[in-house]
Amino acid sequence: RKEVEQDPGPFNVPEGATVAFNCTYSNSASQSFFWYRQDCRKEPKLLMSVYSSGNEDGRFTAQLNRASQYISLLIRDSKLSDSATYLCVVKVSSYKLSFGAGTTVTVRA
Amino acid sequence: NAGVMQNPRHLVRRRGQEARLRCSPMKGHSHVYWYRQLPEEGLKFMVYLQKENIIDESGMPKERFSAEFPKEGPSILRIQQVVRGDSAAYFCASSPRTESYEQYFGPGTRLTVT
Repeated sequence: RKEVEQDPGPFNVPEGATVAFNCTYSNSASQSFFWYRQDCRKEPKLLMSVYSSGNEDGRFTAQLNRASQYISLLIRDSKLSDSATYLCVVKVSSYKLSFGAGTTVTVRA
Repeated sequence: NAGVMQNPRHLVRRRGQEARLRCSPMKGHSHVYWYRQLPEEGLKFMVYLQKENIIDESGMPKERFSAEFPKEGPSILRIQQVVRGDSAAYFCASSPRTESYEQYFGPGTRLTVT
């Protein structure tokens, strides 16, 4: 079983729509969780950390469900510039990050 | 403050040749991590280095792959006798300390083996 699993999508949504997707992780001892964004053929960039209580950053909302071992990301009022691959990332040790394969989101005009 | 630098950005090698990938961490960062991303897959941890020390190479293939981070100069990921399956994007990241959750990624080196 993969450490981090994501629905690859793609999610094709119109501008202004809301899109949400999840990932699941297998290591129940994991302590830190993140969403990264990766644009085509470029390096991953940290989008936001995910906290147990849930957290928002502008139009982005992340949730963590430890009991079910899943993490979600919701994007409100989608912009064309939100088109990217979103990587679910779990910190499985003090330094080792485990990445999901990514969920592709395409926002159309 | 320059970010993490990697070179070359693109590297083409024939089967059996050697590939050398370089990574210069951000200024003030002494921890370097290498990840590999195969097509349609997530990034996979390969190795974690501090200056002159390999801390964790559990993600490195046992043969043909080696990494170093010398006292002076960039970190080097070396792949000997490359095969087609080595074709991938290799990303380097750096952090100022291990417990810092944010690893800053370089632009990657795309290796193509023909």
